[in-house]
Amino acid sequence: QMRLVQSGPEVKKSGTSVNVSCQASGFTFSNSVVQWVRQARGQRLEWIGWIVVGSGDTKYAHGFQERVTITRDMSTGTAYMELSSLRSEDTAVYYCAAAKGPYNWFDTWGQGTLVTVSS
Amino acid sequence: QSVLTQPPSVSEAPRQRVTISCSGSSSNIGNNAVNWYQQLPGKAPKLLIYFDNLLPSGVSDRFSGSKSGTSASLAISGLQSEDEADYYCASWDDSLKLWLFGGGTKLTVL
Repeated sequence: QMRLVQSGPEVKKSGTSVNVSCQASGFTFSNSVVQWVRQARGQRLEWIGWIVVGSGDTKYAHGFQERVTITRDMSTGTAYMELSSLRSEDTAVYYCAAAKGPYNWFDTWGQGTLVTVSS
Repeated sequence: QSVLTQPPSVSEAPRQRVTISCSGSSSNIGNNAVNWYQQLPGKAPKLLIYFDNLLPSGVSDRFSGSKSGTSASLAISGLQSEDEADYYCASWDDSLKLWLFGGGTKLTVL
């Protein structure tokens, strides 16, 4: 059974960084793509970027390019999303999702990680 | 900026049928597949329909998807109270080079 388990909630100050992890199980991590999406309260889902696990290739949405870094650790089957220079507008639930390819549907989602940014 | 447009809410009685629309453009729905996700209250999204009209294993065949031109639709038949959720369409956008999500439609089963 495909499963993604994310790290716990975070409370951060403006200007700092947050690192959210996403551990995979039940599928071949190295053959997957991990997507990151966020959802502010009452807002639509917003795509952040992806990592092709096998190659490590990444792609980021234009609005996040300068502040986000997505990495993976194939030895532990874990993907990470680091967002820097946090501001109050970054307060949201952050989700990871697994896909077979970067342009494929998101098969399985993590449970979400609430990141709260306070000034 | 390209967006995917959905109605904010729909409602229908139990055992009836409802459709949710998703309107896009030639750079997204018109040229790429549409996927639908169901988000139950307080939960993570779950894949409901992929590649316009395909059902993942385990998803009820009461759900169906269709696409025509730059618009897509999700239909739910035999409505049940457990179908109350937010529904999102999604498609890759070739111009913006990102995944676009619709604004979400809240389904209420009366």
